[in-house]
Amino acid sequence: DAGVTQSPTHLIKTRGQHVTLRCSPISGHKSVSWYQQVLGQGPQFIFQYYEKEERGRGNFPDRFSARQFPNYSSELNVNALLLGDSALYLCASSSTLTGFSYEQYFGPGTRLTVT
Amino acid sequence: GENVEQHPSTLSVQEGDSAVIKCTYSDSASNYFPWYKQELGKGPQLIIDIRSNVGEKKDQRIAVTLNKTAKHFSLHITETQPEDSAVYFCAAPLSGGSYIPTFGRGTSLIVHP
Repeated sequence: DAGVTQSPTHLIKTRGQHVTLRCSPISGHKSVSWYQQVLGQGPQFIFQYYEKEERGRGNFPDRFSARQFPNYSSELNVNALLLGDSALYLCASSSTLTGFSYEQYFGPGTRLTVT
Repeated sequence: GENVEQHPSTLSVQEGDSAVIKCTYSDSASNYFPWYKQELGKGPQLIIDIRSNVGEKKDQRIAVTLNKTAKHFSLHITETQPEDSAVYFCAAPLSGGSYIPTFGRGTSLIVHP
């Protein structure tokens, strides 16, 4: 089975622009989470979706939004890009939100550069 | 919220030596503690995890220990190999119904041949 896939791999945007990042979870996984990883730091939680509903939100401004589709794939949208949004954006999927399985499996990430 | 501190930030060992990375957390209700390995240009890979109802878990050359009283957990890698070189992250979740993990800042492990 394929792992978590993300697109695009790399992206260069200009300040003020909008960006959409995409993620497809492991087949059968219904929960998707998004993280921002700045160089030299650990991933920072942005959003979690389960069964198309937002179940968790990190400390990020309203410029960040996300959604999950009926096939459990997800999009992360960032408006009015700032230089500080430059980072690796990671998507992780898991089979359940709570209960026995917390295991998250990460995709390779999308490297966003804002100039 | 949860606060996770990870030490050391860098660790350099000779091939065959053991490596230990330690994390402390603040939320006493946290009950799941994963460790991830991240190689250059890749996403984090789950390598081992432990739940709060056990004190130790092993998987071949890697092990994780948990001390709930002291609120710390550690990753142990024995017989290190050059391919173990990577950045390792620990994480601990906020308590509550959703799984929202806080990650440590990472440990860069370098294994010299």
